[in-house]
Amino acid sequence: GESVGLHLPTLSVQEGDNSIINCAYSNSASDYFIWYKQESGKGPQFIIDIRSNMDKRQGQRVTVLLNKTVKHLSLQIAATQPGDSAVYFCAENPTSGGSYIPTFGRGTSLIVHP
Amino acid sequence: DSGVTQTPKHLITATGQRVTLRCSPRSGDLSVYWYQQSLDQGLQFLIHYYNGEERAKGNILERFSAQQFPDLHSELNLSSLELGDSALYFCASSVDTGKNEQFFGPGTRLTVL
Repeated sequence: GESVGLHLPTLSVQEGDNSIINCAYSNSASDYFIWYKQESGKGPQFIIDIRSNMDKRQGQRVTVLLNKTVKHLSLQIAATQPGDSAVYFCAENPTSGGSYIPTFGRGTSLIVHP
Repeated sequence: DSGVTQTPKHLITATGQRVTLRCSPRSGDLSVYWYQQSLDQGLQFLIHYYNGEERAKGNILERFSAQQFPDLHSELNLSSLELGDSALYFCASSVDTGKNEQFFGPGTRLTVL
């Protein structure tokens, strides 16, 4: 498959463990955040989003935490599976002339060992 | 499958040439976004169209241009290609311009030799 980045932070976990992927964002005006998953050779895929009026949001096996004080976002994946191996991006969406254009982080490579 | 299609999947061309990448958004989506993803730059926003009109520009070179047609498909034109233009080019669509998730296509891998 194609590599999306040669110098990404990498998180290696064992199957069944919980994974925590962190992201720092830069724009204090950002009010909407998204986590994307990108598997090798594919486009980014939406996982979960959160708006700035929330601190926590849960999905299926995933939880996003938002700390606006320190401009930090995290993605928690419960019971990580080999199929979760991918690059994970956070994206912040500040308002820009009426268009919500996400700014993506560099990404974190998650490797799940069976 | 996101519902967004992109063609071609792979494109190999020479420096100085011009290419056109095509994107069909999900049915019902009015917004189309173009991104460039390279190994050293990550995912970079290029341009956003909504219902045929340009809405926002990112770090898009003057050699690059795009348009969205009445049937809502979009084309990204890259001209006077340079080696550094080699990258993955993604199209994404969303229902409108608001705070919505974007659905990404599979990308076009451009290699400039």
